[in-house]
Amino acid sequence: SQQGEEDPQALSIQEGENATMNCSYKTSINNLQWYRQNSGRGLVHLILIRSNEREKHSGRLRVTLDTSKKSSSLLITASRAADTASYFCAAPTGGFKTIFGAGTRLFVKA
Amino acid sequence: DAMVIQNPRYQVTQFGKPVTLSCSQTLNHNVMYWYQQKSSQAPKLLFHYYDKDFNNEADTPDNFQSRRPNTSFCFLDIRSPGLGDAAMYLCATSRVKASGGANEQFFGPGTRLTVL
Repeated sequence: SQQGEEDPQALSIQEGENATMNCSYKTSINNLQWYRQNSGRGLVHLILIRSNEREKHSGRLRVTLDTSKKSSSLLITASRAADTASYFCAAPTGGFKTIFGAGTRLFVKA
Repeated sequence: DAMVIQNPRYQVTQFGKPVTLSCSQTLNHNVMYWYQQKSSQAPKLLFHYYDKDFNNEADTPDNFQSRRPNTSFCFLDIRSPGLGDAAMYLCATSRVKASGGANEQFFGPGTRLTVL
């Protein structure tokens, strides 16, 4: 079963708009991670937010974490065509394992 | 630059013909992972190594085996590939402490496997 589930499954926006993706998870975690994957490539780690953090920023990325609701969101501000990719949240499940959600496919139109 | 390298990037094999995918890392990370990813799906963990300790996922078919001869290298062996094994295979590494949990992972570019 998936630890992380993303919403929406797909998102299409215009360049310059903001993109928001949501993730829900099932068990208690000590951190939650977001990754990006360009078509046909490996995943790239974007940001890690710890369970004692509520919000974290990295450039145009803003991640929030609500442990009471077991949910997280990734906001990409002022999107660019180059942001077109799939975005995955990933939550630890115990030991050294991380389970990935199904991902949100983002398409940014120029 | 430190990185995770996978070879080959594309592999074509015949139904039932054994195939080996390789992964190497220059990051000196103690954990290495193998994932299977099918089109438009999440990466699915097959197994991972913490140093030399092998950890198999319960639902990983016996057809999939792995070897880690040293810190830098890890191999995925598919003994008798079926059509359903066609997928992208991703290798990842992570530096973790024994007392800690999962940490950020560094992925290779993947090997796309085609089974004819």
